[in-house]
Amino acid sequence: DAGVIQSPRHEVTEMGQEVTLRCKPISGHDYLFWYRQTMMRGLELLIYFNNNVPIDDSGMPEDRFSAKMPNASFSTLKIQPSEPRDSAVYFCASSLSAGLNYEQYFGPGTRLTVT
Amino acid sequence: AQKVTQAQTEISVVEKEDVTLDCVYETRDTTYYLFWYKQPPSGELVFLIRRNSFDEQNEISGRYSWNFQKSTSSFNFTITASQVVDSAVYFCALSEVGGGSEKLVFGKGTKLTVNP
Repeated sequence: DAGVIQSPRHEVTEMGQEVTLRCKPISGHDYLFWYRQTMMRGLELLIYFNNNVPIDDSGMPEDRFSAKMPNASFSTLKIQPSEPRDSAVYFCASSLSAGLNYEQYFGPGTRLTVT
Repeated sequence: AQKVTQAQTEISVVEKEDVTLDCVYETRDTTYYLFWYKQPPSGELVFLIRRNSFDEQNEISGRYSWNFQKSTSSFNFTITASQVVDSAVYFCALSEVGGGSEKLVFGKGTKLTVNP
């Protein structure tokens, strides 16, 4: 079975440009999570969705960040305009909420560099 | 608020040594899950284990074992007879149950280097 798919794997962009990161969760999973990983702050949850609906976006750093999930098989994380401090690895994860037996499966990540 | 502390930032061992990675957590809930994830140099996050707060039985999977102690709020991870392939960053994580929240809070991670 395919795992969580993220694209692109690497993105280099200039400050001020718009960046869109994409994620395809595991089929049948009803939760989708976006995380950011940096050396300074570690792994941080940015936002998560349940059945395509945003549940908690309290981790989104500021209005420059937005996330959408138009359907069960696709989500985007957009940064507009991008800044050098947004440089990080962005992970998407999905899970099947099954009471006591859920775990999150992570994609390979997108390494974003903003110059 | 939930919090996960991995006090060991980096550990270096020689192959075949046993090594224990510490994890201490804080939560106000009585029902919660604990996790360990592995992040090898390639960068992906690999799920290793999940424990719920009602199950304090220790678990063993091959060379890996986990010791969950609610009395000390710890969920430690031991690798027996370590191998070079075990070199990775290991993350402990906590999730509370209920209220519709499925959020994971991660510790800062412990970087394990196993030298040949």
